[in-house]
Amino acid sequence: DGGITQSPKYLFRKEGQNVTLSCEQNLNHDAMYWYRQDPGQGLRLIYYSQIVNDFQKGDIAEGYSVSREKKESFPLTVTSAQKNPTAFYLCASSRIEGANYGYTFGSGTRLTVV
Amino acid sequence: AQSVTQLGSHVSVSEGALVLLRCNYSSSVPPYLFWYVQYPNQGLQLLLKYTTGATLVKGINGFEAEFKKSETSFHLTKPSAHMSDAAEYFCAVSGSGANSKLTFGKGITLSVRP
Repeated sequence: DGGITQSPKYLFRKEGQNVTLSCEQNLNHDAMYWYRQDPGQGLRLIYYSQIVNDFQKGDIAEGYSVSREKKESFPLTVTSAQKNPTAFYLCASSRIEGANYGYTFGSGTRLTVV
Repeated sequence: AQSVTQLGSHVSVSEGALVLLRCNYSSSVPPYLFWYVQYPNQGLQLLLKYTTGATLVKGINGFEAEFKKSETSFHLTKPSAHMSDAAEYFCAVSGSGANSKLTFGKGITLSVRP
């Protein structure tokens, strides 16, 4: 079955470390997205990519980086510059044509700073 | 530009009672509208969507929503709540072309009392 896989499900980071969250999809979707979710704040867009080797900043890109070397993969790196990284991170994908299809979401990665 | 307003952050109903979750949108183009559900520590799952055609849309788990252009609303309803409906619900809007990214509301937590 097609879908989006996020790994790991739980991740712990020490102060000053960079960590990378994985997102892989086999839906043949062109567009991929990263969201951060905090209690009471809904979903906030970090980065998105509509085509391989191209991506754009979302609303809260500071302290994060991404790459899109393959259509199927869109990893997110949380850098040491992100001062408050503890959150639930969601990856999503969509067909680039037709806004009426909506997004397919992964099951999320919960990142905790220890 | 587009936006979504979900008034209130929490709704509580008794099992068997009507569920009504409100969503109002703003969009400069004809909107596509979505409702997603999120269970704890999981990703978002599509409940239903409005694209074109019939304004009353039926989704999974007995939910439905009605697109009312004159009221710029897309409220989610279910005639009889079940304990398993307890979750967080997100309304989202998208347009076309440059407005094709989804814009999410802040979400509403639904509690169901026995």
